[in-house]
Amino acid sequence: RKEVEQDPGPFNVPEGATVAFNCTYSNSASQSFFWYRQDCRKEPKLLMSVYSSGNEDGRFTAQLNRASQYISLLIRDSKLSDSATYLCVVRNYGQNFVFGPGTRLSVLP
Amino acid sequence: ETGVTQSPTHLIKTRGQQVTLRCSSQSGHNTVSWYQQALGQGPQFIFQYYREEENGRGNFPPRFSGLQFPNYSSELNVNALELDDSALYLCASSLDVIGADTQYFGPGTRLTVL
Repeated sequence: RKEVEQDPGPFNVPEGATVAFNCTYSNSASQSFFWYRQDCRKEPKLLMSVYSSGNEDGRFTAQLNRASQYISLLIRDSKLSDSATYLCVVRNYGQNFVFGPGTRLSVLP
Repeated sequence: ETGVTQSPTHLIKTRGQQVTLRCSSQSGHNTVSWYQQALGQGPQFIFQYYREEENGRGNFPPRFSGLQFPNYSSELNVNALELDDSALYLCASSLDVIGADTQYFGPGTRLTVL
């Protein structure tokens, strides 16, 4: 089993839709959690960190369930510019970052 | 932009050859991590350098090696290239091994092995 798993995708949604991405991780010692965004043929960029209490940044909401080892990302009111691959990332304290395989999102006009 | 640069941007090699990829970290960052990203997959951790010492390695064979220099720039060397080594190679810099949860990626080097 891979250490970080994500919805296989791709997700094709119309503009304005709400879309949710799911991620599970296997290492219960993981302490830091992130969502990265990667545009086609570009480097990954940090979208947001994920905190235990859940956190929101504009149209983006991230949730963490440590008991279930589950992370989610919700995007409301999707824009064409949200089209990208979304990578779930976990990290143990002081250790390397472990990336999931990513879920590709296409927002359609 | 992140301030992390990589060279070259693209590279074509043949099987059996050797390649050196370079990364300049963001100013003040002493930690560099290297990742391999095959098409359609997430980045896979190769190794990390902290203050010129290797500080962790992923599941990659010894023909993947690296260096970090006193100015914290870094090199990734791959010997005896195989077709499966074709990928985007990313480096990421961060301020500190322990405390930093933010790493900044360079644009990557796209390696094609024929």
